[in-house]
Amino acid sequence: SAVISQKPSRDICQRGTSLTIQCQVDSQVTMMFWYRQQPGQSLTLIATANQGSEATYESGFVIDKFPISRPNLTFSTLTVSNMSPEDSSIYLCSAAERGQETQYFGPGTRLLVL
Amino acid sequence: SQQGEEDPQALSIQEGENATMNCSYKTSINNLQWYRQNSGRGLVHLILIRSNEREKHSGRLRVTLDTSKKSSSLLITASRAADTASYFCATDARGSYIPTFGRGTSLIVHP
Repeated sequence: SAVISQKPSRDICQRGTSLTIQCQVDSQVTMMFWYRQQPGQSLTLIATANQGSEATYESGFVIDKFPISRPNLTFSTLTVSNMSPEDSSIYLCSAAERGQETQYFGPGTRLLVL
Repeated sequence: SQQGEEDPQALSIQEGENATMNCSYKTSINNLQWYRQNSGRGLVHLILIRSNEREKHSGRLRVTLDTSKKSSSLLITASRAADTASYFCATDARGSYIPTFGRGTSLIVHP
């Protein structure tokens, strides 16, 4: 299993600003993902973070709004750009090994945009 | 969409009782997973059942899968207050390795 940490755990931001969320895995993993979870709702996949290449975004999410980096097999960042109150949500990082169905999740980053 | 749908949305029981949650999905799957999420935290993987399996146990958890009805159930026996959490099913369609999560069942176990 993998242990995942995220920073920050929570933040309150002003509209129009950007926030970068960091995700650190305690071991090398093939796959890393970013999800958004709005209060009382399910998880929505934002993108798959690919090591050494551009992230693969799901329908409705674009790189300009959610730029993602993955410089190595243990670390990824998600930036929420030009934030609006609609971006208030929990952002979750997860990791998995290719061919393994189980995902390991970080504790999440709770974001409030005013 | 492949998204699973849990039922009920909310469940409130007394400690010691059993809790049953159901998940329905729409298309053929490779496997189905159940995750738990404590309030304000990340998801924790509980159990995975493959499409060729009908029942699986892990401690106080029992999962069943009926592919003909495209449904699964999660039974927690002898519930404890610490079982209070949201429970999500996640399905991955054949050809995909990324699971899709349902809306979850919010379980409250009263001590």
